[in-house]
Amino acid sequence: DIQMTQSPSSLSASVGDRVTITCRASQSIYSSLNWYQQKPGNAPKILIYAAANLYSGVPSRFRGSASGTDFTLTISNLQPEDFATYFCQQSFSTPYTFGQGTRLEIK
Amino acid sequence: QMQLVESGGGVVQPGKSLRLSCAASGFSFGYFSMNWVRQAPGKTLEWVALISYDGSKTSFADSVKGRFAISRDNSKNTLYLQMNTLTTEDTAVYFCARDTGGDTSLFDPWGQGTLVTVSS
Repeated sequence: DIQMTQSPSSLSASVGDRVTITCRASQSIYSSLNWYQQKPGNAPKILIYAAANLYSGVPSRFRGSASGTDFTLTISNLQPEDFATYFCQQSFSTPYTFGQGTRLEIK
Repeated sequence: QMQLVESGGGVVQPGKSLRLSCAASGFSFGYFSMNWVRQAPGKTLEWVALISYDGSKTSFADSVKGRFAISRDNSKNTLYLQMNTLTTEDTAVYFCARDTGGDTSLFDPWGQGTLVTVSS
C-alpha cells in the first residue's frame, strides 16, 4: 500500500498569512495527488486535483505543487473561512490512501 | 446540483450486520465509479471500497475485505454498502463519494455522511 505522510499535524496562523502543508508519498504516484478541505461536521471538499490543478470554484489563493514524491499545498492570504482540516489523498492505486490531516487553527 | 445522500447508519452490536445506502441525484450516476470512505471520531479519512460504473469491478480496503460488500443499482441511482461481522473498529461516519475516474481521479461530490456506531 502507498503511505502518505502529511505534515504538520496542526498549524496556527493569522488571517492574511501564508501557510504550507506537505505530503510525501512512499513511492511514485506521479501527479495522482488530491487535496481536500474539511470543516467540523461536514464532508470533505476537493480543492486541488492532479497535484497542481485548482478545482472549479476554489479561490486562487490555494495552490498545489509537486516535486517527485513530495507534494505541497500553499494557502496565501489566509481568510477566516480557511481555518479547517486539510487532507491529501493519492488516487494512483487502490487502496486509495489519505494523509493524517493538518488542522489549521487561528492564532 | 449534484447530491449524494447516505442513510442506514445507527447503533449495532458487535458481530451484527448493517446496510448503508447512498442516493444520487443531479448527475448521470451510471457513468461513474463510486466509493465509500469512512472517518472514525477524530481520525483521518479511510477509503473503504470502490465499485466501477457498471458494478463489474470492486475493490476493498484490507480492513474490511471479506466482511463488507459494495453494490449499486443504476436503475435506482443508489449505491450500497453491506457491512457484516461488525466490530468496534468499524465505528465511524461513512461517506459515499463519486469518483471522476480517468487520469485525474478525484472524489466529488461527497454525501453528508451517516454515523455507524458498533457497541454492545
